[in-house]
Amino acid sequence: DTGVSQDPRHKITKRGQNVTFRCDPISEHNRLYWYRQTLGQGPEFLTYFQNEAQLEKSRLLSDRFSAERPKGSFSTLEIQRTEQGDSAMYLCASSLGAGGYNEQFFGPGTRLTVL
Amino acid sequence: AQSVTQLDSQVPVFEEAPVELRCNYSSSVSVYLFWYVQYPNQGLQLLLKYLSGSTLVKGINGFEAEFNKSQTSFHLRKPSVHISDTAEYFCAVTNSGGYQKVTFGTGTKLQVIP
Repeated sequence: DTGVSQDPRHKITKRGQNVTFRCDPISEHNRLYWYRQTLGQGPEFLTYFQNEAQLEKSRLLSDRFSAERPKGSFSTLEIQRTEQGDSAMYLCASSLGAGGYNEQFFGPGTRLTVL
Repeated sequence: AQSVTQLDSQVPVFEEAPVELRCNYSSSVSVYLFWYVQYPNQGLQLLLKYLSGSTLVKGINGFEAEFNKSQTSFHLRKPSVHISDTAEYFCAVTNSGGYQKVTFGTGTKLQVIP
């Protein structure tokens, strides 16, 4: 399977705990995006990587959130000191950035529930 | 900045009836437009896209959409829906340059009634 994969698919945690999610993009894709989707809303952009460089972060990404893509391949999204408001679906997407239109392919998401 | 408005949060329709899901966008630059479908507990799947050229775009599963620049709309249509079309549909926009961050609408839940 050469699609975008995310792990875990579901995560339940207690308020105040730290969580980390992983995204494995399509292998030749140099661009990677994180989105957050809350109930009843469309996905909202969180951050974007071109290779290993994080080029934009949304204001939605508070100081408790950090994302990395250390080798320009997989990426991790960490949330420290989780709050109930962090409960959402976290989606990862990747694309091949080469000018013109570059379709983003989405993974299945990680659903986070903070108790 | 760009934005997308999906006025209908839910659309019930009987099986084999036609359906139209409405989408309006706002942007100060040239855009690409998309419709995505999301089935329960799954990620997003691209239904169709408008990049340039013909304003009538055909996608998968019998869906089509028409780009109307003067009305800044990109409505999604299907002439005859099936039970399996029950899902949430998201209209989305991105600028035609740069790294193409996608802005999504709030979604329309299509409920097909047998």
